[in-house]
Amino acid sequence: KAGVTQTPRYLIKTRGQQVTLSCSPISGHRSVSWYQQTPGQGLQFLFEYFSETQRNKGNFPGRFSGRQFSNSRSEMNVSTLELGDSALYLCASSLEAAGEQYFGPGTRLTVT
Amino acid sequence: GENVEQHPSTLSVQEGDSAVIKCTYSDSASNYFPWYKQELGKGPQLIIDIRSNVGEKKDQRIAVTLNKTAKHFSLHITETQPEDSAVYFCAAKGSGGSNYKLTFGKGTLLTVNP
Repeated sequence: KAGVTQTPRYLIKTRGQQVTLSCSPISGHRSVSWYQQTPGQGLQFLFEYFSETQRNKGNFPGRFSGRQFSNSRSEMNVSTLELGDSALYLCASSLEAAGEQYFGPGTRLTVT
Repeated sequence: GENVEQHPSTLSVQEGDSAVIKCTYSDSASNYFPWYKQELGKGPQLIIDIRSNVGEKKDQRIAVTLNKTAKHFSLHITETQPEDSAVYFCAAKGSGGSNYKLTFGKGTLLTVNP
């Protein structure tokens, strides 16, 4: 069974731009969570989607948003990029909301 | 909300020795405690987990123990090998509502010296 896939793997953007990251969960998994990983703050929860509904949201500004499609694929969007948004963005899927989470390889976003 | 503390932040051992990483959590409602291994350039990989109705779980050279009363859990790696070198993260997850999310520790960089 294929693992979690994330595209693109690397991205360079300029301050003020917006970006969309994509995540395809493991086949059959209905829950997708997004995390931001930085050296200073570690792994921080962004939001979780289950059956196209946002179930949970972390403490990030409204510039960070996401959605989930009927096939469980998910996208996250960051608008008006800031230098501090440079990070590894990780997506994790699970069979159900309370289940084991499996991570993708991440998208490395660099904001210049 | 939940707060997870992880120690030590770095750990260096000789090949064949044991390694122990400890985590404490704050929310007594948390009931799921996974451990992840992250190698350079990769996403975290689930290596073992434990639920609050179990005190210990073992999988070959890896074991996890949970003390619900003290709200701490530990990862034990025996007979360490150089390929065990990575960053290890502990996490805690609650049972419902806004607790349906993983809160991670800051990570432990484990180096196994040949």
